[in-house]
Amino acid sequence: NAGVTQTPKFQVLKTGQSMTLQCAQDMNHEYMSWYRQDPGMGLRLIHYSVGAGITDQGEVPNGYNVSRSTTEDFPLRLLSAAPSQTSVYFCASSYVVGGGSLYEQYFGPGTRLTVT
Amino acid sequence: KNEVEQSPQNLTAQEGEFITINCSYSVGISALHWLQQHPGGGIVSLFMLSSGKKKHGRLIATINIQEKHSSLHITASHPRDSAVYICAVSRHGGSQGNLIFGKGTKLSVKP
Repeated sequence: NAGVTQTPKFQVLKTGQSMTLQCAQDMNHEYMSWYRQDPGMGLRLIHYSVGAGITDQGEVPNGYNVSRSTTEDFPLRLLSAAPSQTSVYFCASSYVVGGGSLYEQYFGPGTRLTVT
Repeated sequence: KNEVEQSPQNLTAQEGEFITINCSYSVGISALHWLQQHPGGGIVSLFMLSSGKKKHGRLIATINIQEKHSSLHITASHPRDSAVYICAVSRHGGSQGNLIFGKGTKLSVKP
């Protein structure tokens, strides 16, 4: 299994440009999430999905869109990039352990985005 | 106040020392996670705990649900243990599979 993959690894955008960060997992996990990591702050949830066709907002959703057309893919779209979106973005997938309420988490390698 | 607090923020140790990183949280949780992030690297899950204690090699994680506190211990530390260690919790009744993170503890182990 490749686990959780993200592309690109690095990206530089100009203010106002749009782009899509790709995330895919091959573990058949139902739950997927996007986080951003900024210096001096913990990771923060942007959007998440509990299954194909179902998405919801996290803590910091403004300026981002997501869709989940398949179990495997969960792309994150920046509509009009702003310098405040300069960050490292992590995609994660998770599955329920033992049929209970514990979710084992798997993270992608991250995408480092700079908006100038 | 952050819902997940870690201490210390930075920690420098000599190779071979016993290391403890602490995590306190203020919400009801279904699980607590310890994660490791190497410089410039991705994030790896070390432990997921809902009670008691878990051990993997030189790493030990404990949780006290009543006191809302967890510790990560590293025995016989090694320079390759240098990384940021992140505590995260799954909020009880919260969005399935999503986490609230502490700000991390940066560990540097000197040879």
